[in-house]
Amino acid sequence: KNQVEQSPQSLIILEGKNCTLQCNYTVSPFSNLRWYKQDTGRGPVSLTIMTFSENTKSNGRYTATLDADTKQSSLHITASQLSDSASYICVVSAQAGTALIFGKGTTLSVSS
Amino acid sequence: ETGVTQSPTHLIKTRGQQVTLRCSSQSGHNTVSWYQQALGQGPQFIFQYYREEENGRGNFPPRFSGLQFPNYSSELNVNALELDDSALYLCASSSGSRGVNTDTQYFGPGTRLTVL
Repeated sequence: KNQVEQSPQSLIILEGKNCTLQCNYTVSPFSNLRWYKQDTGRGPVSLTIMTFSENTKSNGRYTATLDADTKQSSLHITASQLSDSASYICVVSAQAGTALIFGKGTTLSVSS
Repeated sequence: ETGVTQSPTHLIKTRGQQVTLRCSSQSGHNTVSWYQQALGQGPQFIFQYYREEENGRGNFPPRFSGLQFPNYSSELNVNALELDDSALYLCASSSGSRGVNTDTQYFGPGTRLTVL
């Protein structure tokens, strides 16, 4: 069964600190992996998208890594800001398919 | 802002009623996908439309139906509403070819549906 598991479920960090969010997936055959940021009550916003051949991609203070062999990805946030407080969702799509498989997300709270 | 708009923002219905949700895709995008997001869960894929034709469907019953118009805007219709249909309904637009799923999807703000 195609699944995407994220950890931790929630995380609280101090402003200015770094953090890393994890994503494990069992989707096969794999096409690409995306990280989205979703503010409460809003639609998700794309942060990164990586295909099989890419193992790292950055978007400002966000850096995503992908290990297609172990089927793991991480999202590293550097120098966190209060505005980083949101849910971060890992999304995987299979080859030759239109469906995106979403994880349940990690809720990040950045406090001052 | 992604350029994807949805209406209405909020909606309250009772069991058994029917509802229509609307989505206007970003300019230049020919593909619209619909998702259901229950509270505390990740979005679940309902279906996708590419150039006015259904291009994939998730595990949702037939009472969930859709439509895409020539201007690529889209509707999601849900008949015989059930309490479990209460959720945030998201649409996402993208550009690309049939069967291609490497394009970035741009999400709208969602419609919050409450079924009483």
